[in-house]
Amino acid sequence: QQQVKQSPQSLIVQKGGISIINCAYENTAFDYFPWYQQFPGKGPALLIAIRPDVSEKKEGRFTISFNKSAKQFSLHIMDSQPGDSATYFCAAAKTGGSYIPTFGRGTSLIVHP
Amino acid sequence: DAGITQSPRHKVTETGTPVTLRCHQTENHRYMYWYRQDPGHGLRLIHYSYGVKDTDKGEVSDGYSVSRSKTEDFLLTLESATSSQTSVYFCAISESGRGGTEAFFGQGTRLTVV
Repeated sequence: QQQVKQSPQSLIVQKGGISIINCAYENTAFDYFPWYQQFPGKGPALLIAIRPDVSEKKEGRFTISFNKSAKQFSLHIMDSQPGDSATYFCAAAKTGGSYIPTFGRGTSLIVHP
Repeated sequence: DAGITQSPRHKVTETGTPVTLRCHQTENHRYMYWYRQDPGHGLRLIHYSYGVKDTDKGEVSDGYSVSRSKTEDFLLTLESATSSQTSVYFCAISESGRGGTEAFFGQGTRLTVV
């Protein structure tokens, strides 16, 4: 059973456009929702994260929107740039006890110049 | 970059042979993890450790074993490699869960089983 469902699997946008990646989770015990960015040949790296006590978090061009009642969260990349081309993973975790992030299947983002 | 070193970075091995991948950290973090990454499946947890000699299974643990005899080292062993274990393996570390802390990933090991 997939605990974190991510869509779309791939996404192509034009430079300057908005990229939107969506995730949904099942386990209501999750209380930490990070997004990771991975470039080819590299390991994933934390991009931005949110806790369920807020509905939105913004860092530069990257924004997480969180809907606790729907158990959904999304990443918005404003003014998308070719350098944003990467694979993005959403994740969810419980922060009490053992910290074990569960990842979505990833979204391959291509931003055309 | 967090101090995580995976070795080897690339390996080709034959079906049926044992293989050991090593993860070494210099951050003194409590948690260490092994994930595998496959197209269409994302990152799936194989095993994790929450302290020296304390390990537990993840969602895809069959055919894998781990050991952690020192805080800094976490070994992943494929007891008898199969073609289905061809993948990119990532080690990750993190410190504490309650703060919602970051998991840091290594550069990965590309394993091919022929």
